[in-house]
Amino acid sequence: ILNVEQSPQSLHVQEGDSTNFTCSFPSSNFYALHWYRWETAKSPEALFVMTLNGDEKKKGRISATLNTKEGYSYLYIKGSQPEDSATYLCASLPNAGNNRKLIWGLGTSLAVNP
Amino acid sequence: ETGVTQTPRHLVMGMTNKKSLKCEQHLGHNAMYWYKQSAKKPLELMFVYNFKEQTENNSVPSRFSPECPNSSHLFLHLHTLQPEDSALYLCASSQEGPRTGLQDTQYFGPGTRLTVL
Repeated sequence: ILNVEQSPQSLHVQEGDSTNFTCSFPSSNFYALHWYRWETAKSPEALFVMTLNGDEKKKGRISATLNTKEGYSYLYIKGSQPEDSATYLCASLPNAGNNRKLIWGLGTSLAVNP
Repeated sequence: ETGVTQTPRHLVMGMTNKKSLKCEQHLGHNAMYWYKQSAKKPLELMFVYNFKEQTENNSVPSRFSPECPNSSHLFLHLHTLQPEDSALYLCASSQEGPRTGLQDTQYFGPGTRLTVL
């Protein structure tokens, strides 16, 4: 995989449902994986930065796992609420000296129906 | 004000106009970025400034001209744009230093929605 791919492209769930999305990234030359949350008409907001294989991060009802060997990360939302509706972006940061160039996915658009 | 601010939030311009987008960060960061976000495309990095020096220019057409007068301010000067340049332009900042992963977190402004007629 040369690009960052996210699936599904969009998701509609009911309030209270738990859900998860996938981010696939190049496993070679990996340095870090970023997750961002982007609400409509607002700024993208950093959720997690993950670097170690097997890493698991949690922020409230949102958690993420990382598998650097196979090149994927999962984002989980437990008990989705309408305020979780947003686009969730992941971005891979390769290990290339001082290169700060994040490689972005297209995002997963989540809509939570009340 | 806190965080990263961008003005204007919306801009409509003709192909012969000259306009500028402004970004200001209040986080004390030393790196700033311009991104372009088009429909159904991932975020495209346009320019990176690190300690006010441009460190990356991703083959962006010369009709886009960045300026970084100090580490808190970033401009994108626009002239003779094309309709396909219509997009959301996002500014971001980060604190660069020894690579820890955490310091690569970018903080974004809300963007300028640009429409070129």
